[in-house]
Amino acid sequence: EVQLLESGGGLVQPGGSLRLSCTASGFSFSSYAMSWVRQAPGKGLEWVAGVSDSGDTTFYVDSVKGRFTISRDNSKNTVDLQVNILRDDDTAVYYCAKDHGLYGMDVWGQGTTVTVSS
Amino acid sequence: DIQMTQSPSSLSASIGDRVTITCRASHVISFYVAWFQQKPGRAPKSLIYAASSLHSGVPSRFSGNGSDTDFTLTVNSLQPEDFATYFCLQYNTYPLTFGGGTKVEI
Repeated sequence: EVQLLESGGGLVQPGGSLRLSCTASGFSFSSYAMSWVRQAPGKGLEWVAGVSDSGDTTFYVDSVKGRFTISRDNSKNTVDLQVNILRDDDTAVYYCAKDHGLYGMDVWGQGTTVTVSS
Repeated sequence: DIQMTQSPSSLSASIGDRVTITCRASHVISFYVAWFQQKPGRAPKSLIYAASSLHSGVPSRFSGNGSDTDFTLTVNSLQPEDFATYFCLQYNTYPLTFGGGTKVEI
């Protein structure tokens, strides 16, 4: 079964850091780009970051550039999102998703919740 | 960045109705649009890719259309399980961008 499982969320103070992780199973992980998408409470979806299949190329939405870092380990089938200098508006459920090229984001994890609050 | 303007933001419909949701891109994006369904507390589910292709297992009452800047998602004969929020996504250009969502209510 194709599956993505996120972990690492939690409650953190403004200015703090977390490392979110997504573990993939059931498909050839190293063949696909991966993305992180977030959803603030009661709001829509926001794409946050993406990484190529090899890990050589990364992309970010402007609001997280310089604060978030996406990386992957194809030997462990994991994609991580290091989130630093957290702000109140980073509070959201963070989903990882498999980027299947023309087929779009065809597999999503169940999400991990990040709450930024003092 | 490419903006995706989705409308309406919400709609009320009845079982058996046909509903259409629209997304307009601020720039030409060819056919690189996907549509997702999301239910409360759940992850999004991919319905359509490349503007008009259904993912495996998606009922045929869902259909997508459009190219360049104007795209639609149509649900024919709305079923109880279709009441949810729907999002479009452009994946032609980074940063990828979603529409604001359409909540389909009874």
